[in-house]
Amino acid sequence: DTEVTQTPKHLVMGMTNKKSLKCEQHMGHRAMYWYKQKAKKPPELMFVYSYEKLSINESVPSRFSPECPNSSLLNLHLHALQPEDSALYLCASSREHGSSRITDTQYFGPGTRLTVL
Amino acid sequence: DAKTTQPNSMESNEEEPVHLPCNHSTISGTDYIHWYRQLPSQGPEYVIHGLTSNVNNRMASLAIAEDRKSSTLILHRATLRDAAVYYCILRDPATGNQFYFGTGTSLTVIP
Repeated sequence: DTEVTQTPKHLVMGMTNKKSLKCEQHMGHRAMYWYKQKAKKPPELMFVYSYEKLSINESVPSRFSPECPNSSLLNLHLHALQPEDSALYLCASSREHGSSRITDTQYFGPGTRLTVL
Repeated sequence: DAKTTQPNSMESNEEEPVHLPCNHSTISGTDYIHWYRQLPSQGPEYVIHGLTSNVNNRMASLAIAEDRKSSTLILHRATLRDAAVYYCILRDPATGNQFYFGTGTSLTVIP
């Protein structure tokens, strides 16, 4: 099973709402990633988790709050978002992060399309 | 991370070979060259990667220049399913497994 699942597929929220995006993988991967992709643009790295600890935060605003409750699950909590945060949010996983011996393949989920009104 | 430069878009006729170029003149000796593609309405998917030697797999071939300042992804017979954005990405495994995507090439396959 090389699947990364993301829920929900679509999400519409107001600027005062709190919502969460969920990502799950059962490949035994110990690295998980959040990317943001605006229309017609490449994915931009947001966060990296390695062994359930936050390893990289690409200066993402605090209204995005990641959480990795266990090695299979990655959440992205959203609060007080702005309309410009509307985008496709992609989750990915790989076997490891930061190992100099490995050139791991990243497996991406299909994304959650978020619209902020 | 070293940057990559790719043409914004390319076209190919169905069942013909496609050569997708990527320039990476500032590549370091430890950077691997990765190619991913993103089909419409999907997340990116792995295509191929290499370090110095040319590589083949069931999806494509990767030709790497001798000085490593450029590479070419080769799809041997383009199909309509190959229409996607193709990203060439450099990654040094010593600095982590995260990817910084470039702008990519949007490939259109003409029936």
